[in-house]
Amino acid sequence: GDQVEQSPSALSLHEGTGSALRCNFTTTMRAVQWFQQNSRGSLINLFYLASGTKENGRLKSTFNSKESYSTLHIRDAQLEDSGTYFCAALTGNTGKLIFGLGTTLQVQP
Amino acid sequence: GALVYQYPRRTICKSGTSMRMECQAVGFQATSVAWYRQSPQKTFELIALSTVNSAIKYEQNFTQEKFPISHPNLSFSSMTVLNAYLEDRGLYLCGAGLGVSQNTLYFGAGTRLSVL
Repeated sequence: GDQVEQSPSALSLHEGTGSALRCNFTTTMRAVQWFQQNSRGSLINLFYLASGTKENGRLKSTFNSKESYSTLHIRDAQLEDSGTYFCAALTGNTGKLIFGLGTTLQVQP
Repeated sequence: GALVYQYPRRTICKSGTSMRMECQAVGFQATSVAWYRQSPQKTFELIALSTVNSAIKYEQNFTQEKFPISHPNLSFSSMTVLNAYLEDRGLYLCGAGLGVSQNTLYFGAGTRLSVL
């Protein structure tokens, strides 16, 4: 079936540094969403991309449908960026949103 | 902006009883509503996808008899967990949008269900 492979599963950053999260898809996806889940469980919308790249503050995301992947770049990480980040891909044929297993990010002073 | 409210935020029910959770969309028309369950291990399972004026589509392992859903208008949906048992515990999330195949889904903060 359709799958979303998210990596890394866990990430630790010092304040001010950055890194990239990645999602690979086993089939062609129509779009991708990235979320941050905070400690209370709320899913915060970060990006919705049908193609290309979007940037918002210290976050930037790219979706390459042809090569079946999406990335989320975080720069100048802050303590409040800690949480679990999920990508979710919209399947082309069924219209369902399939979630990855998440990346747990911990930002340390 | 687009907001989705879910209530209750947390609930505890006795094994074998039922509980109802609600989802309210504010600032946009929730043509489609997807109900998910996030397990204690953090994995997401799609329960069902509801589109106003269309039949509700349940995923494998989820049935209308167990998780009846109502989606009467463009701002509200509810789902009931009937006869809840330990395996039903988790965070139930409602994602609403103009159309699942076309647009962003906005999620509520979830209803966390514990079963005693």
